[in-house]
Amino acid sequence: GQNIDQPTEMTATEGAIVQINCTYQTSGFNGLFWYQQHAGEAPTFLSYNVLDGLEEKGRFSSFLSRSKGYSYLLLKELQMKDSASYLCAALDSNYQLIWGAGTKLIIKP
Amino acid sequence: EAEVAQSPRYKITEKSQAVAFWCDPISGHATLYWYRQILGQGPELLVQFQDESVVDDSQLPKDRFSAERLKGVDSTLKIQPAELGDSAMYLCASSSPQGQTSGSSYNEQFFGPGTRLTVL
Repeated sequence: GQNIDQPTEMTATEGAIVQINCTYQTSGFNGLFWYQQHAGEAPTFLSYNVLDGLEEKGRFSSFLSRSKGYSYLLLKELQMKDSASYLCAALDSNYQLIWGAGTKLIIKP
Repeated sequence: EAEVAQSPRYKITEKSQAVAFWCDPISGHATLYWYRQILGQGPELLVQFQDESVVDDSQLPKDRFSAERLKGVDSTLKIQPAELGDSAMYLCASSSPQGQTSGSSYNEQFFGPGTRLTVL
């Protein structure tokens, strides 16, 4: 079957760095997305990786290892507004998104 | 900035009643998705349209749910009759095939604000 695993909840301190991990098992693979979702709001796109390696976008970076079925989202210089759920989603061979349950990130002052 | 529109934003109904949600995707986006998201879980795809045609409705509970996109633009999702377990956020998203929208990643989905449904 198809499956996405990510931690349920993480806590970090304002100004620090946090890494949110995601492992995936899909029928075929056409890329991996990270979305941010604030409570009660819709998901918003953060990143897309299809090749191995690190993609950097300001304070956020995303890494992919296709051979390991593994990705992480790295958030630097954490701000209180980064408190949200972070959803990992993999695109399978039918170009359908398989979603994880999300990681709730709590930022403490 | 182009956005996906949804209405209503909030809906409270009693079980056994009918409810309908509306979605207007970003102009030019051929693909439209309806998702259901229960609190603490990831989105669950209910139905996917390519223009006016259904591409995937394998997870749509067809005994009570229906969806249409008659002119290939806006879409309606209906539940009749609603059940207590239908309480969730209903998200609409749209995307454009690769290469047709500058600046977007492949198959990036743009989400509307969602409709929060509460069934009493």
